[in-house]
Amino acid sequence: DARVTQTPRHKVTEMGQEVTMRCQPILGHNTVFWYRQTMMQGLELLAYFRNRAPLDDSGMPKDRFSAEMPDATLATLKIQPSEPRDSAVYFCASANRGTGELFFGEGSRLTVL
Amino acid sequence: GENVEQHPSTLSVQEGDSAVIKCTYSDSASNYFPWYKQELGKRPQLIIDIRSNVGEKKDQRIAVTLNKTAKHFSLHITETQPEDSAVYFCAASLRGSYIPTFGRGTSLIVHP
Repeated sequence: DARVTQTPRHKVTEMGQEVTMRCQPILGHNTVFWYRQTMMQGLELLAYFRNRAPLDDSGMPKDRFSAEMPDATLATLKIQPSEPRDSAVYFCASANRGTGELFFGEGSRLTVL
Repeated sequence: GENVEQHPSTLSVQEGDSAVIKCTYSDSASNYFPWYKQELGKRPQLIIDIRSNVGEKKDQRIAVTLNKTAKHFSLHITETQPEDSAVYFCAASLRGSYIPTFGRGTSLIVHP
């Protein structure tokens, strides 16, 4: 049963620290998404990649967030420096363009104190 | 870009009742409309989807309808059960891109 894998599942850090979240998409999926979920904002699209190329990161605060996909098996989302308002659950999802269905990871719950 | 509105934000029903969640979209080029269910503390998962060449699709107790002219689509759950309690998200994707725009979600509570 192929799944999207995310690490860490939980992260508590102090304001100003760097946070890196990692995602392993399902093998063969060519589109990878990063979403942020808070109670108030639902599922907020931060960035997505197709065939490892970044296509849209307009949802990310550019001064502190960065997303990369160094190879087909790894996508990263980095926050530097982190702030309390970044506290949320961050989901990675991958999709095969042919079907349109998104497969979500279990999420990384980030708490910035 | 696409804009998806979802209503209601919260829906409370008694077990056995039906539940209906409605979404509207803005871009007539959208042609793929999935629904995701997210149980508490879990990841969203696709439960049903519909494409613009179909008006209705059913899968056991859930069904989705699409009105392309009015640009709205709905999720219908019949004979609700406590395990249907979750947040439901609708989404719309532009033709060919499959990049979904999500609604804000509906929290469905089914009381035993």
